[in-house]
Order: sequence, then structure tokens, then C-alpha cells
Amino acid sequence: QKEVEQDPGPLSVPEGAIVSLNCTYSNSAFQYFMWYRQYSRKGPELLMYTYSSGNKEDGRFTAQVDKSSKYISLFIRDSQPSDSATYLCAMGLNKLTFGTGTQLKVEL
Amino acid sequence: EPEVTQTPSHQVTQMGQEVILRCVPISNHLYFYWYRQILGQKVEFLVSFYNNEISEKSEIFDDQFSVERPDGSNFTLKIRSTKLEDSAMYFCASRGTSRPEAFFGQGTRLTVV
Repeated sequence: QKEVEQDPGPLSVPEGAIVSLNCTYSNSAFQYFMWYRQYSRKGPELLMYTYSSGNKEDGRFTAQVDKSSKYISLFIRDSQPSDSATYLCAMGLNKLTFGTGTQLKVEL
Repeated sequence: EPEVTQTPSHQVTQMGQEVILRCVPISNHLYFYWYRQILGQKVEFLVSFYNNEISEKSEIFDDQFSVERPDGSNFTLKIRSTKLEDSAMYFCASRGTSRPEAFFGQGTRLTVV
């Protein structure tokens, strides 16, 4: 079983849609959960992080962690074409373990 | 806004040559990292560095790799004898002491021919 699993997509949605991106993980020791956005051949850009279980909201983005199910989600409300990118989940602190990334395309 | 800076953006080298990838972390950060991403694959941890020493390294980070903080601002990754399979994007990241977020640079694309 992979340590972090993420559906690679691609995921295509119309502008204004609510997007749900998800990761599952196997290591119950993970306490920090990050979401990064990556454009082609660029570095990961941090969107937000969550500590342990719960929800966190930042503008149009909401991160959720369910440690009992080892499942994390990122929701994007009112999606925009500029949100088109690859979204990476990452877990840990001093050694981030990344998912493979989900490629998102928001179409006009 | 502070950012992690990496140079060069693209490096082409011949197999067997040594390369040094350079990074300037965010100025008040004390934890430094190197990650790599082979084209089409996930971002993989290579090494973490704190208090002038390696704190953790992955199995990828073998004797061909080394890191150094030669002065108060730079953090380098050296690959001694490059192989074709070292071709990848290499990302430097840094983190402060009071927050868990790691910030990444834009990467160096290393092409070994």
C-alpha cells in the first residue's frame, strides 16, 4: 500500500463549480497535512496546512482532515480558470510525503 | 514577500560530471530541504538539514549526494558523478522554527546527457 494515494485525474470542471480533491494515507503518525498547487515545471506553492483533524478555511479554499479514516480533502469554491493546475497533498513535518498530484482544469 | 531562490533554473551536464545546485532559503528560516521530482512523477524527499547537519535523508540520497551551507545565506546540493537517472527537477525548501509550512523554490531542472 502506498503511503499517500491521490487520484491523478485529470479533473475537468466548468467555471464556478465546487471542486473536491482528496488523498488517503496509511501512516497514522502524520499530524500535519499540506496542500500545494503546482504549475507545469514550477515549484510547489503552499495553499494551506491543517494540523491533526478538523477543517480550515482560507478564502475559496477549505481543507478537511479525517484522521479516523486517514482521508484529507481540499474544496475549492467558485472555481476559476486560474485555478487550473496540479494540486499536491503532502504530509509530515521535516520530511514531507507527497501524493502524485491531481491535475485540475477549470473551463470557461 | 520572502521567497526561496534557486539557481540555475536549468542545468545540462554530461554523465559523470559533478554539479552543484544552489539555493537561498528564506532569511529567518532554519530548516532546509532538498526534494526532487522526476518528470511525471511525484515530489520525493531527499534530505533535511538543521543546525549545520543532516537531520534526515532518504535512500535516494546516497554517497553521490552531499549538502552544504557554506555561508549564512546559501544552501547547496552537490551530485558528485551524475547519472542519466539523476535528470529531474530539484527543489529546495525552507521552514521557520515556529510554523510547520515549508516553502519551495522554483526548482532547478537538471538534465544529464
